[in-house]
Amino acid sequence: ETGVTQTPRHLVMGMTNKKSLKCEQHLGHNAMYWYKQSAKKPLELMFVYSLEERVENNSVPSRFSPECPNSSHLFLHLHTLQPEDSALYLCASSQEIELADSYEQYFGPGTRLTVT
Amino acid sequence: AQKITQTQPGMFVQEKEAVTLDCTYDTSDPSYGLFWYKQPSSGEMIFLIYQGSYDQQNATEGRYSLNFQKARKSANLVISASQLGDSAMYFCAMSTSGTYKYIFGTGTRLKVLA
Repeated sequence: ETGVTQTPRHLVMGMTNKKSLKCEQHLGHNAMYWYKQSAKKPLELMFVYSLEERVENNSVPSRFSPECPNSSHLFLHLHTLQPEDSALYLCASSQEIELADSYEQYFGPGTRLTVT
Repeated sequence: AQKITQTQPGMFVQEKEAVTLDCTYDTSDPSYGLFWYKQPSSGEMIFLIYQGSYDQQNATEGRYSLNFQKARKSANLVISASQLGDSAMYFCAMSTSGTYKYIFGTGTRLKVLA
């Protein structure tokens, strides 16, 4: 495996379900990110981890709970979601969290989430 | 306020022709980076090109070049010799010094015609 992988690629869940999204990066990066991409809206940064420590929680509802057990893995635990949470959830990693020094982010393919 | 604006929701280009995708930005920070990403229908965001605010020359990466006009605060992406595989969404993004946040534009959907 190379780059950034995400599982599952597609997920349909009811509002009372609990599920988790998984992200794994094979690049030796120190920073990992969760983004939400909704139709016709800019990407929204949800969470940022640097060396397994959360450095950003961008006013995300508590029904989204991130976990970073090590620098290669990132999870997003979901519970009691709403239909408006349906979106593409993208995971990304970068060498460091300081981006303006041209450390581009590498993205995974995303998980297409549908909440029914 | 920091902002990225992409005013072209959709563009068409004939195969083998060049196309320019517009991006304007707003920031008061003198140190920033500008990025372009491509997102095919598969969903993955693919990094294309980077321009630093202090770079004197426009960035180029293969068929991609970034037309950086600092005074106008624009960072347009130029794709030369378009290919059918270039059909995708294209996002402009900005990051400022000392932060780890990308600010993304709303994207431009490019369709390359055979």
